[in-house]
Amino acid sequence: GIQVEQSPPDLILQEGANSTLRCNFSDSVNNLQWFHQNPWGQLINLFYIPSGTKQNGRLSATTVATERYSLLYISSSQTTDSGVYFCAVEGNFNKFYFGSGTKLNVKP
Amino acid sequence: DADVTQTPRNRITKTGKRIMLECSQTKGHDRMYWYRQDPGLGLRLIYYSFDVKDINKGEISDGYSVSRQAQAKFSLSLESAIPNQTALYFCATSGVKGNTEAFFGQGTRLTVV
Repeated sequence: GIQVEQSPPDLILQEGANSTLRCNFSDSVNNLQWFHQNPWGQLINLFYIPSGTKQNGRLSATTVATERYSLLYISSSQTTDSGVYFCAVEGNFNKFYFGSGTKLNVKP
Repeated sequence: DADVTQTPRNRITKTGKRIMLECSQTKGHDRMYWYRQDPGLGLRLIYYSFDVKDINKGEISDGYSVSRQAQAKFSLSLESAIPNQTALYFCATSGVKGNTEAFFGQGTRLTVV
């Protein structure tokens, strides 16, 4: 299967700070998604971004498929941004592979 | 109502018992998946199905079975639960080529004692 590596594994921010999360993958992919897992365990779709750049409020994402990486930017972080951020890629046969996540803690 | 609904949301069961987790979706997607998440880890694929007659094993299918009763329903069974199957289980759906965005259910927290 496709290997997905996320960095950093843990991140502590002060409220209002900006951050960049990275996702590297080992093979070409059909699809890439970013999810936020909230403290209750729910997976929230953030971006469906096989390539290019998208923005949604304070969050934006960029995927460079040819170089096999994606970045998630969080600006002006808030305590509600805390949780785990997962990158998932879709390989052949429509199977999704997840990274181990970046655990974000935003302190007030 | 959620697009992907899992029942139950929480379950405690005893070792050796049979348990079924159910998933239904209103997205109209053909593809459905069951994943397992262990603490501090990402999600791992148990089984997936691309239509009612198509069932495929994922990377960790041992000890599990599935049934695709209809396009909208995909259930996961643990025939004889064991403690190391304690985990958070997710059902997901995705669309076809062109837009394969995946959508996840709320998760089922299963504890085997």
